[in-house]
Amino acid sequence: SQQGEEDPQALSIQEGENATMNCSYKTSINNLQWYRQNSGRGLVHLILIRSNEREKHSGRLRVTLDTSKKSSSLLITASRAADTASYFCATDDRAGTASKLTFGTGTRLQVTL
Amino acid sequence: NAGVTQTPKFQVLKTGQSMTLQCAQDMNHNSMYWYRQDPGMGLRLIYYSASEGTTDKGEVPNGYNVSRLNKREFSLRLESAAPSQTSVYFCATSRGHEQYFGPGTRLTVT
Repeated sequence: SQQGEEDPQALSIQEGENATMNCSYKTSINNLQWYRQNSGRGLVHLILIRSNEREKHSGRLRVTLDTSKKSSSLLITASRAADTASYFCATDDRAGTASKLTFGTGTRLQVTL
Repeated sequence: NAGVTQTPKFQVLKTGQSMTLQCAQDMNHNSMYWYRQDPGMGLRLIYYSASEGTTDKGEVPNGYNVSRLNKREFSLRLESAAPSQTSVYFCATSRGHEQYFGPGTRLTVT
């Protein structure tokens, strides 16, 4: 079963606008990660936020985490056409030395010129 | 550095045939993973290997077997392919929390 549910399923914006995606999950976590997937490619890690953190920034990315609501959001500011991709949240149920991720269903972002 | 490589890129099988998907990494990571991705869904974990010599089931292991051949290589075998195994398969590695993914193998079972 999917741990994370993402909202919206699809998002279309114009270049320069901000894009916000939300992720909800069901069980307690060690950390939550966001990945990007360009069409036909593998996933690329974007950012990780630990369960004791509330907000994290990386370049144009801002991630928030609310463990009481079991939810996270990813904000991409000043979007570019190159940001067009699917974005997935993944919760980390760390099992020993392996990072055992459970992925959400993803948000498809389309950035138009 | 190639990172994580997967072979083949594409494969078509008939129901009942067997095949092995190969994954290799040059990142010196201890942990390796196999996922499948179906249309409109996120990735689901099939099997993982926390370190050389160990393997464990993930969320959807039925119909698959794995071998951690050495630190670099982790293979996924379908003994008797079924149409329900039509999917895109991704291999990944990690040393810490972050995972690094290969380009995927697109498998169709007819």
